[in-house]
Parts: sequence; structure tokens; C-alpha cells
Amino acid sequence: KAGVTQTPRYLIKTRGQQVTLSCSPISGHRSVSWYQQTPGQGLQFLFEYFSETQRNKGNFPGRFSGRQFSNSRSEMNVSTLELGDSALYLCASSQQGPQETQYFGPGTRLLVL
Amino acid sequence: GNSVTQMEGPVTLSEEAFLTINCTYTATGYPSLFWYVQYPGEGLQLLLKATKADDKGSNKGFEATYRKETTSFHLEKGSVQVSDSAVYFCALSALADRGSTLGRLYFGRGTQLTVWP
Repeated sequence: KAGVTQTPRYLIKTRGQQVTLSCSPISGHRSVSWYQQTPGQGLQFLFEYFSETQRNKGNFPGRFSGRQFSNSRSEMNVSTLELGDSALYLCASSQQGPQETQYFGPGTRLLVL
Repeated sequence: GNSVTQMEGPVTLSEEAFLTINCTYTATGYPSLFWYVQYPGEGLQLLLKATKADDKGSNKGFEATYRKETTSFHLEKGSVQVSDSAVYFCALSALADRGSTLGRLYFGRGTQLTVWP
């Protein structure tokens, strides 16, 4: 089975722009979670989607949003980028939800200049 | 609430040395516990897990036992190798705050392990 894939792997943007990151979960997995990883804050939970519905959300501003499609693929969007949004964004999938084992993708490294 | 505390790094060891990385947690209800490993430039890989008290997770020579009485899940390996150099994250999966039935992962800050030949 193919693992979790994320595209693009690397991205450079400037302040004020917006960005969309994509995540394809393991086949058969319906839950997709997103995490932000930075040296200062560590791994922080962004949100979780299941069957196209956001079920859980972390403590991030409204500039961070996401969605999930009927094939379970998920996208997250960050609008009006700030320098502090520079991070590794990780996507994880599981069959039913985060209470199960989550499998992570390689991440998208975003640099905001 | 839910949180994970793991020992600060970095940890530097010689090859074949014994490894312990301490992890303690606070949680609502009955969490599942995980150790993930992150190699440079990569995402997180599941190393091992335990879903209930006294369970022992093991993989690739690493072990951790779910200790409810001490709320701990310490990672151990009897003989480390250079290839074990990575960042190790302890995590728990529990109910979200405020009694929600939804879960999410809570991570420790990570421990950098460097093994020298």
C-alpha cells in the first residue's frame, strides 16, 4: 500500500500571499489530520477531517483552513502568510480517527520570506 | 487537560550504549501512547505503541511500557546504533479537551539522539 503523500515537498512564498498544500491519505483511510512543526513550538495540531467534515480544530487563527474531498484527499490553505508561518506541515491519516495509529507523510516545508 | 513531557535533549551516546528517553503524560480518560521517530528531512514514522496499562510496545530493539501508576512511557534500547540517530517524539492520543469524543495526538517536544561510532 502506498503511504501518505504530500505535495509540494518544498515551497517558498512571500508575506501576504496564500498557499495551498495537498495530502493524499493511505488508501482506505478516511481521517486526515494536519500538524504544524516549528523549532519553537514543536508539533501543533491544526485540524482533523473525516468524511469531508472538520471534526476537530486546534488553536490556530482563521487564516488556516482546510477541506477534505470525497476521495479523502485533503488540502489546507493559509491566507495572508506571515513570517511565523514558516514551518514543516505534516499530514497524517488513519482509518477512523486520531484515536487510532496515525501514519504521517513526509511533510511540506514552507518558507515565508 | 492532556500533555506530554519528555526529557530535554540532545542525547549523545556511543554505539552499543544503553538508551533511555523519559516520557511522562497527563491525560483525560485512557489514552493510547506512541513513540514516533523523525529522521532528518523526513516526516514522522511510528516506532511503537501501547494502548492500555502494562502493555509493552516494541520494534527494532526499542521498547516502552505503559505505566499508568507513574503515568510514564519511557523509551529504551539495549544497544544503540549510528543509524538510530534521529529525533524521538513521545505522543498520546486521547479525548480532546472539554469532554469531546474526538481524539487528537498530543506530542512532547522531541529528543534529539546522536550516536557516535
